[in-house]
Amino acid sequence: GENVEQHPSTLSVQEGDSAVIKCTYSDSASNYFPWYKQELGKRPQLIIDIRSNVGEKKDQRIAVTLNKTAKHFSLHITETQPEDSAVYFCAASSNYGGSQGNLIFGKGTKLSVKP
Amino acid sequence: DTEVTQTPKHLVMGMTNKKSLKCEQHMGHRAMYWYKQKAKKPPELMFVYSYEKLSINESVPSRFSPECPNSSLLNLHLHALQPEDSALYLCASSQDKGGGSYEQYFGPGTRLTVT
Repeated sequence: GENVEQHPSTLSVQEGDSAVIKCTYSDSASNYFPWYKQELGKRPQLIIDIRSNVGEKKDQRIAVTLNKTAKHFSLHITETQPEDSAVYFCAASSNYGGSQGNLIFGKGTKLSVKP
Repeated sequence: DTEVTQTPKHLVMGMTNKKSLKCEQHMGHRAMYWYKQKAKKPPELMFVYSYEKLSINESVPSRFSPECPNSSLLNLHLHALQPEDSALYLCASSQDKGGGSYEQYFGPGTRLTVT
């Protein structure tokens, strides 16, 4: 089955700096890669996603890149702000087999943005 | 509207109690999910309903019993739980399990404490 590795587990940056979180996946059939932000005590919130037919996607200060050959994808946050502080989870899912559509999550990255 | 609602927000129950968690969405989504999330861990899939039929049971103990009364509602019935079942229980929904529409939207969760 699919396995998703996420690094780093914690990341501390100064306000205004960029933050990068990386994930690798094992199943070449995976074709959908969302990123979730979870603030303390709140629900995971979908912030951006990418499908395997696209190499990069941007939404204002956040972007995601996907390298299918290397089976890794990354979240990039530019001009970080204190409100970006949260735990970020990457995930992968496949459209094939009995587990189609199921999300396999990475272990999460706790991002701290210092003012 | 991408809102999934859950009740109750908090629940404390003894090991001999029977209780139910409720989830509702009005986005016309046909797939609904129950996840369990322990502190500092990613969400862990428990059950998946697709078109009101249970499609995956990720080997969850029988003390957890899901029910999908209609396409908008999802229940999780709890009976004879153990203290280690204390966690945040998240409901999520997506347009479908396959076919290219995988975005899963999470509810706020029920914080369950088993005493």
